[in-house]
Amino acid sequence: AQSVTQLGSHVSVSEGALVLLRCNYSSSVPPYLFWYVQYPNQGLQLLLKYTSAATLVKGINGFEAEFKKSETSFHLTKPSAHMSDAAEYFCALDPNTGNQFYFGTGTSLTVIP
Amino acid sequence: GAGVSQTPSNKVTEKGKYVELRCDPISGHTALYWYRQSLGQGPEFLIYFQGTGAADDSGLPNDRFFAVRPEGSVSTLKIQRTERGDSAVYLCASSLNPGQAYEQYFGPGTRLTVT
Repeated sequence: AQSVTQLGSHVSVSEGALVLLRCNYSSSVPPYLFWYVQYPNQGLQLLLKYTSAATLVKGINGFEAEFKKSETSFHLTKPSAHMSDAAEYFCALDPNTGNQFYFGTGTSLTVIP
Repeated sequence: GAGVSQTPSNKVTEKGKYVELRCDPISGHTALYWYRQSLGQGPEFLIYFQGTGAADDSGLPNDRFFAVRPEGSVSTLKIQRTERGDSAVYLCASSLNPGQAYEQYFGPGTRLTVT
């Protein structure tokens, strides 16, 4: 069975501080993993994806994530938060069946000036 | 280039009515997905098309929900006898190829409100 757990439905950070959004997964097969961002009234936009080529993945807007198989985690980080990073972030798992992605419940990021 | 488009952006309907939601995927994408996103939740899978056929409809909640993709491009999600619990944002996504780590590209969604 496949599932994604995002710890912390709401995260607040100060502008310029480290952003850390947590994602843990459960999968019966080696998964592909994705982080998407959703701004208000917009669709989901891909930030980055893990495809087994490298465990540290760099994405757009300065975000990166590290795949840790031993911890079944794929946490998203950014060294310095910007006001424009305020949005909803979703971690998603692709079990490589082509049928669907499994999404976490999302983490709402607030950036405090 | 053009992304995934969905119409209407908002739909308000009365309980018991029939609604159709349209999705226009990225040109050339063979895979098309419908998800439903309730408030405070992540997208939940409804149905997946590969070409014209529904390859997996295991996420459709009941037989009031139906989707078609007759020419392998535009898709329509149809909901009969709508209920208040159907209120949600319905997202459509398309992908160049299913699986193989190809990302899914999402449309802006249709916000359905059943009164």
